[in-house]
Amino acid sequence: GQSLEQPSEVTAVEGAIVQINCTYQTSGFYGLSWYQQHDGGAPTFLSYNALDGLEETGRFSSFLSRSDSYGYLLLQELQMKDSASYFCAVFLYGGATNKLIFGTGTLLAVQP
Amino acid sequence: GAGVSQSPSNKVTEKGKDVELRCDPISGHTALYWYRQSLGQGLEFLIYFQGNSAPDKSGLPSDRFSAERTGGSVSTLTIQRTQQEDSAVYLCASSLAPGNEQFFGPGTRLTVL
Repeated sequence: GQSLEQPSEVTAVEGAIVQINCTYQTSGFYGLSWYQQHDGGAPTFLSYNALDGLEETGRFSSFLSRSDSYGYLLLQELQMKDSASYFCAVFLYGGATNKLIFGTGTLLAVQP
Repeated sequence: GAGVSQSPSNKVTEKGKDVELRCDPISGHTALYWYRQSLGQGLEFLIYFQGNSAPDKSGLPSDRFSAERTGGSVSTLTIQRTQQEDSAVYLCASSLAPGNEQFFGPGTRLTVL
């Protein structure tokens, strides 16, 4: 089966840098995505890694290492509005399959 | 509208009743997905539509769950004989084409009493 593990909670202060890790036991996936979800809101797409290495999008960066079955989301210059849940998800695509398998989610609390 | 819309936003029903949840994807998006999110949990895949057909129904938890899509646009998820464990937020997403970024709607919060 497919499983992705994330820390349940992370706390950091405004202006700091925080890394949210995602380890997985999944094979044959197309890429690793990251989504942000504020309390009661819809998940919104943040980043996608199709290949190993680092992808940078403004204050957010994401990393993937298929050989280590590991990825992370890096948030820089933290702001209060970054307080939310963050989910990694593997993208399974091919044949009849087209779906995201989500991790357990990490609740990020940014403190002043 | 600009984004994915879902209705109703909240639904409270009694155990044993049937419910229908509606999703309006972004105009022109050919792929549509349903996910379920239980309290404090991640999202669980239910079903994927390409056009009006559903190549992947592997996530539907039981035969009480069904979904259809008409005209390559609106989709309805139907839950028959609801049970308390069906209580969750049901999220719909769409993408321009299979393999593209998925855009999520605000969800329908279903509570089964």
